[in-house]
Amino acid sequence: QSVLTQPPSVSGAPGQRVTISCTGSSSNIGAGYAVHWYQQLPGTAPKLLIFGDVNRPSGVPDRFSGSKSGTSASLAITGLQAEDEADYYCQSYDNNLEGVFGGGTKVTVL
Amino acid sequence: QVQLVQSGAEVKKPGASVKVSCKASGYTLTGYYMHWVRQAPGQGLEWMGWINPNHSGTNFAEKFQGRVTMTTDTSISTAYMELSRLRPDDTAVYYCARVIKKGTSWYYFDYWGQGTLVTVSS
Repeated sequence: QSVLTQPPSVSGAPGQRVTISCTGSSSNIGAGYAVHWYQQLPGTAPKLLIFGDVNRPSGVPDRFSGSKSGTSASLAITGLQAEDEADYYCQSYDNNLEGVFGGGTKVTVL
Repeated sequence: QVQLVQSGAEVKKPGASVKVSCKASGYTLTGYYMHWVRQAPGQGLEWMGWINPNHSGTNFAEKFQGRVTMTTDTSISTAYMELSRLRPDDTAVYYCARVIKKGTSWYYFDYWGQGTLVTVSS
């Protein structure tokens, strides 16, 4: 069981907007630790998608956006494309200085 | 450019140990903590622990304490993760990942190794 809670799957048609939630607690996200998001394509290592709640690394399309409020965070994908079909993970830290992950969300493009 | 290159796949019997290496290039190993994350087949990411290559300080997830050792050899820019008393449910892809720390609240992984599959089977 993962420390952060994500929905197992979300889906949408090409061009649509989908959101993925990530819920933590007062010892991780609620303690003020930033949330980061990773995209994992099949058979590959995770790739940083969003850092510091809302920031995109160079090269990540602006279709991806992050937000955070209280003990939760969200990743939004607007203008969904076939290449966005992947697993997405949220990650934060906790008061024990340990990394914590969500269980992952599979995004399916219909 | 920054690269983390891990050692190849391993097959181990239950009760054995495995040591995975992660060679860093394109930056100074001592400048960043190194974390290890694993992923069982079809499952999510699981954080294992970190090592500070500067002074070899470590912090492990409770479930791995007593079984995991993390070390570095700064002379060859390589980090190691050794897991002992292997069980079949330790079968997973093991990743090393460089962490970026900003202030006291931002800790994220900007570069990952390609992963090392460890299979535990009798």
